[in-house]
Amino acid sequence: DAGITQSPRHKVTETGTPVTLRCHQTENHRYMYWYRQDPGHGLRLIHYSYGVKDTDKGEVSDGYSVSRSKTEDFLLTLESATSSQTSVYFCAIGLAGQETQYFGPGTRLLVL
Amino acid sequence: QKEVEQNSGPLSVPEGAIASLNCTYSDRGSQSFFWYRQYSGKSPELIMSIYSNGDKEDGRFTAQLNKASQYVSLLIRDSQPSDSATYLCAVTRFGNEKLTFGTGTRLTIIP
Repeated sequence: DAGITQSPRHKVTETGTPVTLRCHQTENHRYMYWYRQDPGHGLRLIHYSYGVKDTDKGEVSDGYSVSRSKTEDFLLTLESATSSQTSVYFCAIGLAGQETQYFGPGTRLLVL
Repeated sequence: QKEVEQNSGPLSVPEGAIASLNCTYSDRGSQSFFWYRQYSGKSPELIMSIYSNGDKEDGRFTAQLNKASQYVSLLIRDSQPSDSATYLCAVTRFGNEKLTFGTGTRLTIIP
């Protein structure tokens, strides 16, 4: 997993509650990404970061926010979880100057 | 039209045969192409990247790129049951860190 961990690995929550997922990397990579994966849609980019405090939106960013206060941590927050945000969430890292991305183990989120 | 299209399968191939996976893309500015393998319940794992027209071989895997026709393919020779997985195609523009993924092709190798 290229030194990437995600926590929690599984979470069940209720509609309307805030949820924060954490991605942690040990190799000081500049680029970090959050994706969600759903049947029939594949992997879709939610947000990404190209450095500390530098983030940008992906194609499915509504309802999500991110923060990156340290190089090694990239947090994804669902401010008020909805059932449509039930998904598998993957974090990825990218090497500067390369388009290759490596994925973390994923977080399965169920919103009831 | 989706930006990156793959046949969802399932594609069934006998053990020892060649598995052929195809991917088409709509953005003519795409310059970098990747194949990921994803086992059920696991994260995507990079298996091949290709940047130039033609073939690129790595062990039993061969990636083929044709930018004029906007397709990229992955051949798996001497298919093994352990190759049974979903294969994801991903593309990006040069210098653009954002990958666009297809929905994947589910491959089953039949012993």
